[in-house]
Amino acid sequence: GDSVTQMEGPVTLSEEAFLTINCTYTATGYPSLFWYVQYPGEGLQLLLKATKADDKGSNKGFEATYRKETTSFHLEKGSVQVSDSAVYFCALSDNAGGTSYGKLTFGQGTILTVHP
Amino acid sequence: NAGVTQTPKFRILKIGQSMTLQCTQDMNHNYMYWYRQDPGMGLKLIYYSVGAGITDKGEVPNGYNVSRSTTEDFPLRLELAAPSQTSVYFCASRLQGKYQPQHFGDGTRLSIL
Repeated sequence: GDSVTQMEGPVTLSEEAFLTINCTYTATGYPSLFWYVQYPGEGLQLLLKATKADDKGSNKGFEATYRKETTSFHLEKGSVQVSDSAVYFCALSDNAGGTSYGKLTFGQGTILTVHP
Repeated sequence: NAGVTQTPKFRILKIGQSMTLQCTQDMNHNYMYWYRQDPGMGLKLIYYSVGAGITDKGEVPNGYNVSRSTTEDFPLRLELAAPSQTSVYFCASRLQGKYQPQHFGDGTRLSIL
């Protein structure tokens, strides 16, 4: 079945540091890939997405590129801020055969803490 | 623009009690989902619905039931609460269409004691 693996956390960085959170996936079809962010006490918010190989999703300074050859979708940001402290989830939606109904398979989440 | 609204935000139940977690969305989305989030884990799909009157099981459906009588509402029912159901529950919805993202509510934190 489908699966998503994220790098072990938590991740602690100083403000303005470079961020990478690794995400790899296994899927039977041609999935869409997503990064969601969860701030304390809130639900998940879509951060960015990519729907086909070599697509780059970007939002709020975050980027991720859909790499089919390495089955990866790593999240990066050049200079993190304290306000980026949150839990980040990588997820896939398997579009194979049109019967997935948009169901998401999530990674376990990575806690990011940014210190001033 | 409310989006996805979940009630209650917090609840404590005793073992064996029943309750319904409410979820409503005002975006006219056909697809709706219930997930649970356990500490240090990703979200696991409990049930989903592709339209009024149509529901199906997800990855972890045991101990739960759902109904979908309207497009807007997708309640989740716990009939006999067990400690293993202590979790944070999220409802989500999306438009029909291949690349549409899901939109999440703020969650219900449920403790079974």
